[in-house]
Amino acid sequence: KNQVEQSPQSLIILEGKNCTLQCNYTVSPFSNLRWYKQDTGRGPVSLTIMTFSENTKSNGRYTATLDADTKQSSLHITASQLSDSASYICVVSPPPGYSTLTFGKGTMLLVSP
Amino acid sequence: EPEVTQTPSHQVTQMGQEVILRCVPISNHLYFYWYRQILGQKVEFLVSFYNNEISEKSEIFDDQFSVERPDGSNFTLKIRSTKLEDSAMYFCASSELRVMGNTEAFFGQGTRLTVV
Repeated sequence: KNQVEQSPQSLIILEGKNCTLQCNYTVSPFSNLRWYKQDTGRGPVSLTIMTFSENTKSNGRYTATLDADTKQSSLHITASQLSDSASYICVVSPPPGYSTLTFGKGTMLLVSP
Repeated sequence: EPEVTQTPSHQVTQMGQEVILRCVPISNHLYFYWYRQILGQKVEFLVSFYNNEISEKSEIFDDQFSVERPDGSNFTLKIRSTKLEDSAMYFCASSELRVMGNTEAFFGQGTRLTVV
């Protein structure tokens, strides 16, 4: 049972363009939702963390949104750069008392010159 | 900036052999984790460790796996008798507190385990 679904699976955009990645989750209850960037062959690096009461969180050119009612989140990347090419992973954190992070499969983004 | 370090970066082992993957978590962190990622698949939770004992483990973490914090700085994952399907990238992570709220979990660069 996949509790975190991401779309699209992969995406190619031109350098300088914006893009939006989607995440739907069924994990409930949850304490927060995170977006990670994972370069090929490297460990995930945190971009944003949002609790269920937050609607939006920005980190530079990355803006994440969360709708806890519909259980959807998005990650918007503005003015993309070649270095943004990576897998972007939506991760849901567990309720109090647990420590397991539940990962989505990720969206593979390729920024083309 | 403090980071989680893992060694080796790549380990090749024969099926049936024991392997130990090593991690040095961030020094003031109290919670430690192992995750794995089979090539092309999502990252999966294996085990969490706190106060010198396992606090949670997944169904993947069977009797072939064990974890240890032998000396107060290292955190190890041992696979007793490796199988081909154990081939994956293994990530160690640590956090100051349990990963809820805004507690950040920091991941190492991973150890790529190849079982032949």
